[in-house]
Amino acid sequence: DAGVTQSPTHLIKTRGQQVTLRCSPISGHKSVSWYQQVLGQGPQFIFQYYEKEERGRGNFPDRFSARQFPNYSSELNVNALLLGDSALYLCASSLAKWDIGQYFGPGTRLTVT
Amino acid sequence: AQTVTQSQPEMSVQEAETVTLSCTYDTSESNYYLFWYKQPPSRQMILVIRQEAYKQQNATENRFSVNFQKAAKSFSLKISDSQLGDTAMYFCAFMKQGGDDKIIFGKGTRLHILP
Repeated sequence: DAGVTQSPTHLIKTRGQQVTLRCSPISGHKSVSWYQQVLGQGPQFIFQYYEKEERGRGNFPDRFSARQFPNYSSELNVNALLLGDSALYLCASSLAKWDIGQYFGPGTRLTVT
Repeated sequence: AQTVTQSQPEMSVQEAETVTLSCTYDTSESNYYLFWYKQPPSRQMILVIRQEAYKQQNATENRFSVNFQKAAKSFSLKISDSQLGDTAMYFCAFMKQGGDDKIIFGKGTRLHILP
C-alpha cells in the first residue's frame, strides 16, 4: 500500500501570497492531521480532520485553514504568507486511535521570500 | 497544558555503543500515549516506539527500548548497539487519550553516531 503522500515536495512563495498544500492519506484512513515544523524545532499541531469535519485546531492564526474531501484527502491553505510561515508541513493519517502517530507523509517544504 | 522537554540538544556516540536520550513531560492526564520519533535528513518522520501510559511494561522494538517512569513523568529512549543509520533527530512526543489526536512534540535531540 502507498503511504501518506504530500504535494508539492517543495514550494517557494512571496510574502503576501497564498498557498495550498495537499495530502493523501493511506487508503482507508479517515483522519488527517497537519503539523508545521520550523527548522530546528519539533512539529506543531495545526489541524485534525476526521470524516470531513474539523476535530482539532492548534494555536495558529485564521490565515491557516484546511478541509477534507469525501475521499479523505486534505488541503491546507495559508493566506497572506509571512516569512515566519517558512517551514516543513507534515501530514499524518490514521485509521483508529491505536495507530495514531504511526503514519506521516514526507512533508512539503515551504519557503517564503 | 501538556509540555514535552528534551534536555539534550545534541549527542554523539561511537558506533556499537549504547546511548540514552532523555525526555520528561508534564500533564495532568491519566491516560495518554508517549512516542519516540526519528527524523533523518530525508525529513521523513518515523515512529520508533510507542508506549501506552496504562501499561507498566516498557516498550521494546529490536535495539530500541524505553524506560517509562510514570510517577516521575520520564520517558527515555535507549538505543543499543548503535549503527551509523541511527544518525538523526529524535523527538519525544505526547498525546492524550480522547479528544483530538494532537501530538505534542519536544524540541528534539540531534544524535550523531560516529564511525
